[in-house]
Amino acid sequence: QSALTQPASVSGSPGQSITISCTGTSSDLGAYNWVSWYQHHPGKAPKLIIYEVYNRPSGVSHRFSGSKSGNTASLTISGLQAEDEANYYCCSYTPTTSPYVFGTGTEVTVL
Amino acid sequence: EVQLVQSGAELKKPGESLKISCQVSENSLTNYWMAWVRQMPGKGLEWMGIIRLDDSDTAFSPAFRGQVTISADRSSSTAFLQWSSLGASDAAFYYCAGTRHGNTFWTDWGPGTLVTVSS
Repeated sequence: QSALTQPASVSGSPGQSITISCTGTSSDLGAYNWVSWYQHHPGKAPKLIIYEVYNRPSGVSHRFSGSKSGNTASLTISGLQAEDEANYYCCSYTPTTSPYVFGTGTEVTVL
Repeated sequence: EVQLVQSGAELKKPGESLKISCQVSENSLTNYWMAWVRQMPGKGLEWMGIIRLDDSDTAFSPAFRGQVTISADRSSSTAFLQWSSLGASDAAFYYCAGTRHGNTFWTDWGPGTLVTVSS
């Protein structure tokens, strides 16, 4: 099962909005609404920020939002802040196969 | 809040065996799944496999099946990742993750264990 495809890097100025895409296939990401997103500061524990496409865990900023269309899921960060600089990974759950696969990861830079 | 405590950094030689651990802070946890995730230097996160603490039911990513062993000790709420013979390519950070049965996402994460393989 191949990794989901994400842009290697996305950047934005403080206060701006950015969107990270995550593309899979009709057999994985497109087949189910079981997409989650994780924020990872290098050397630290990854953190769940979105689950099942658009749900935010308790305590996660409302500036993070998720969506999905067809085989592509998206994470939008609104009102970009310096603390948002991190790597972001999408993840798809597919019960009939491996069953999890990560995206290739996107490095977010706040200019 | 569940905490995951991982074992410390390891420095091993090629060919040596290794077993690292991840313990859940909450005792008597039922229907809890744990996973192992690899991050090689400068690379992204990769799923390796998952295990249910209750009965050690496991599932592997195809890339890691047969390359590592994942096991669990229900009595201590601990999951293990084991190699019988390390290679240079096994040098990486290894994270454990946990979640309640029925979730399709991972709510709890450990801080990672750095494994260095060098002769």
